[in-house]
Amino acid sequence: GAVVSQHPSWVICKSGTSVKIECRSLDFQATTMFWYRQFPKQSLMLMATSNEGSKATYEQGVEKDKFLINHASLTLSTLTVTSAHPEDSSFYICSAAKTRGGYTDTQYFGPGTRLTVL
Amino acid sequence: AQSVTQPDIHITVSEGASLELRCNYSYGATPYLFWYVQSPGQGLQLLLKYFSGDTLVQGIKGFEAEFKRSQSSFNLRKPSVHWSDAAEYFCAVVPSGGYNKLIFGAGTRLAVHP
Repeated sequence: GAVVSQHPSWVICKSGTSVKIECRSLDFQATTMFWYRQFPKQSLMLMATSNEGSKATYEQGVEKDKFLINHASLTLSTLTVTSAHPEDSSFYICSAAKTRGGYTDTQYFGPGTRLTVL
Repeated sequence: AQSVTQPDIHITVSEGASLELRCNYSYGATPYLFWYVQSPGQGLQLLLKYFSGDTLVQGIKGFEAEFKRSQSSFNLRKPSVHWSDAAEYFCAVVPSGGYNKLIFGAGTRLAVHP
């Protein structure tokens, strides 16, 4: 159980275009989903936290107008990179968690999406 | 400052040897503690977690970790390493008092020699 999928696994786009990445919890309902960014050989950096049906909470330094997050259902969250530029090239990983007793439970991670902006 | 420290950036062990990966945290109260493993180009897989109770935690793939409050540590161990264990290992914590975010250490890259 606790499987999280991401689509696509790899995307190449031209500079200035927008890219949408989907994150799905396949066998559980995720009240909270998280989006991370990982640069080569580095750790994960949290970009934003999204709760189903409400606006995402962005970490300091993350442009909310550039990285649009939508968490429309308990099994789906999307990250849209708008007007992508080469510096946005990275590995984007989502995670999903249930809420237990008011606290968010263990995060389960998707396989990641590698974005390359030309 | 609050942080998660993995002192070893890169560790190499021989197949069959024992392994210990170190993790220290600096938070006022006991946080929730996790170890994740990431294989090349893939997402993270949860190895084990500690919320409360028995301080020796058993995980998947033969891994275990021990929480030591006095040392603010949560070291990961495996008695006999397999070549397939070569990967990046991340220690992570959720600060106590609620669940806002998962704070990751810098990671330890494990190489296994045949």
